[in-house]
Parts: sequence; C-alpha cells; structure tokens
Amino acid sequence: DAGVTQSPTHLIKTRGQQVTLRCSPKSGHDTVSWYQQALGQGPQFIFQYYEEEERQRGNFPDRFSGHQFPNYSSELNVNALLLGDSALYLCASSLVLENLQQYFGPGTRLTVT
Amino acid sequence: QQPVQSPQAVILREGEDAVINCSSSKALYSVHWYRQKHGEAPVFLMILLKGGEQKGHDKISASFNEKKQQSSLYLTASQLSYSGTYFCGTEDSGGYQKVTFGTGTKLQVIP
Repeated sequence: DAGVTQSPTHLIKTRGQQVTLRCSPKSGHDTVSWYQQALGQGPQFIFQYYEEEERQRGNFPDRFSGHQFPNYSSELNVNALLLGDSALYLCASSLVLENLQQYFGPGTRLTVT
Repeated sequence: QQPVQSPQAVILREGEDAVINCSSSKALYSVHWYRQKHGEAPVFLMILLKGGEQKGHDKISASFNEKKQQSSLYLTASQLSYSGTYFCGTEDSGGYQKVTFGTGTKLQVIP
C-alpha cells in the first residue's frame, strides 16, 4: 500500500520565480491538505482540497494556489517567491468519510535565494 | 491562534515517564498528536475527539479536557525511539481536518 508521495524532494528557486509542488495521496484517500513548515516551527495549514475544490484555507496570500485532479493527486503553486517562502512543504492525505487521521508525505524542501 | 505546548523541551532517561501538555484558547472539536523526527514528516500518534472517543497508539495515551480546552500526552517507560519533536494539532470545528499545530515539545531520550 503506497503512502503519500511528494515531488520533488528538494528545490532551489530564485526570488520572484514560480514553483509547483506535487503530491499523490495514500491509496483510497480523497482529501489532500498542504502545510508549510519553517525551520524549528510546527506545520502551518495552507489549504485543503476535496472533490477538486478548495474546501478550507489558512492565512496564506493568494500567491499560494492549488489544484486537485480527478485521481485525487494535488499541486501547490507559489508565485512571486519571497525569501520567507523557504520551508518544508508537507502534503497530508485523508479520507473524508473517516474524518480522522492524516497521513503526511516526506515533504518538499524549498529554498528561495 | 496557535496552541501552546509545555514543556518546550525535556530530556529523559530510558524507562522514565513524561507528560506533554497542549492548551488552546479556543473551544475544540478534536486534538491530534504527532511525533516528528529530524528531517522526517510528522507521524500520527493519537486523536481525541470531543465527547471522549479516542484512537491511536497503544503504547502512548492521552487525555482531552474539553472544558479547559487542554490535552495531555502521556509517554510511559520511554524508549530511545520516542525521541523527536511532539506536536499537538487542534481542530475547532469538525469535519474538515483543518489542523492548527502547536508550538512543539522537543523530547530526547538518553540511555
């Protein structure tokens, strides 16, 4: 049973550029949530996708956007990158009917220079 | 608002017990507990739901006081593998899994 996978593992971008991160949920899961984790901090909720729509959103600017595909995989897009966007980006999947445990992927480490 | 955890850090010897507390300023629907090792993703340990239903790890227990908006994670007879940073995550409404993570507690178990 494949767990949550994310790509790429690491990424280096320049300030002002745009980036796309990808997530494949655990088999059978239909909900994907994205989190940003700065060094030494807890994860912060960015948004959640269910049925290809954004269902919940945290306190992140519109530069952060996402998408969910019919196969439940998801993308996180960040435009006009700032130095402060450097962080570990985590994807978590769950099953809406269970409404309980989230399974996290290994994350994508984004460095903005 | 981010839940506050205490202590911020703790060092234990193998076999000792520890309690990690999580306190929120909001009414809570559920509390999640995660452990994160350095360079790895958070791993789910436990969830406590409003109303008392509990699920999770069989070697670690937790309590949830809805009235005080507090939760505690109990680690007994600690093992080296327990080392890591523990986060509580709270939901203030049910059904959406919009989890707000706490400030974290760094736990180190030494031989």
